[in-house]
Amino acid sequence: QKEVEQDPGPLSVPEGAIVSLNCTYSNSAFQYFMWYRQYSRKGPELLMYTYSSGNKEDGRFTAQVDKSSKYISLFIRDSQPSDSATYLCAIYNNNDMRFGAGTRLTVKP
Amino acid sequence: KAGVTQTPRYLIKTRGQQVTLSCSPISGHRSVSWYQQTPGQGLQFLFEYFSETQRNKGNFPGRFSGRQFSNSRSEMNVSTLELGDSALYLCASSPMSLAPNEQFFGPGTRLTVL
Repeated sequence: QKEVEQDPGPLSVPEGAIVSLNCTYSNSAFQYFMWYRQYSRKGPELLMYTYSSGNKEDGRFTAQVDKSSKYISLFIRDSQPSDSATYLCAIYNNNDMRFGAGTRLTVKP
Repeated sequence: KAGVTQTPRYLIKTRGQQVTLSCSPISGHRSVSWYQQTPGQGLQFLFEYFSETQRNKGNFPGRFSGRQFSNSRSEMNVSTLELGDSALYLCASSPMSLAPNEQFFGPGTRLTVL
């Protein structure tokens, strides 16, 4: 079993839709939770970074962590074609980082 | 400030050959990490170098090796290439640690093994 499980998609939504991306992890030792966005032919860039359970909001993006069920989510409101990318979840603790396989998202105009 | 640069961007090799990839970190960054990204396995950590010393290592065979120079530039070498080594190889630099909010990725080198 992988440390981080993520549905690879692909996921296609119309512009303006709410997007929900999800991951589960197995090791409760990991305390930090991240979402990265990766455009085609680019490296991943950090989108959201959170430590605690609960919600963290940044503009149209909301990261949600439920440590009790080891479940992390990313919500994108009012999705735009420019949000089309691969989204990777990741977990981190003490110089140990593990990534999900990534979900490819396409937002159609 | 210039970002992380990787060369070459694309590479085609045949089985059995070896390959060397290069990474130039952001100026002032002393930590360089390497990752392999494939559709099936996602992003997997290879190793991290800090001040010319390998500080962390992932679960990859000894065919994968690296080094870091005094100017923090890093190279990764893969010997005896296999078809399964076809992947996007990413490097990331950070000032000191692997903390996610300090780490910046380069665009990657796309390696194809025929």
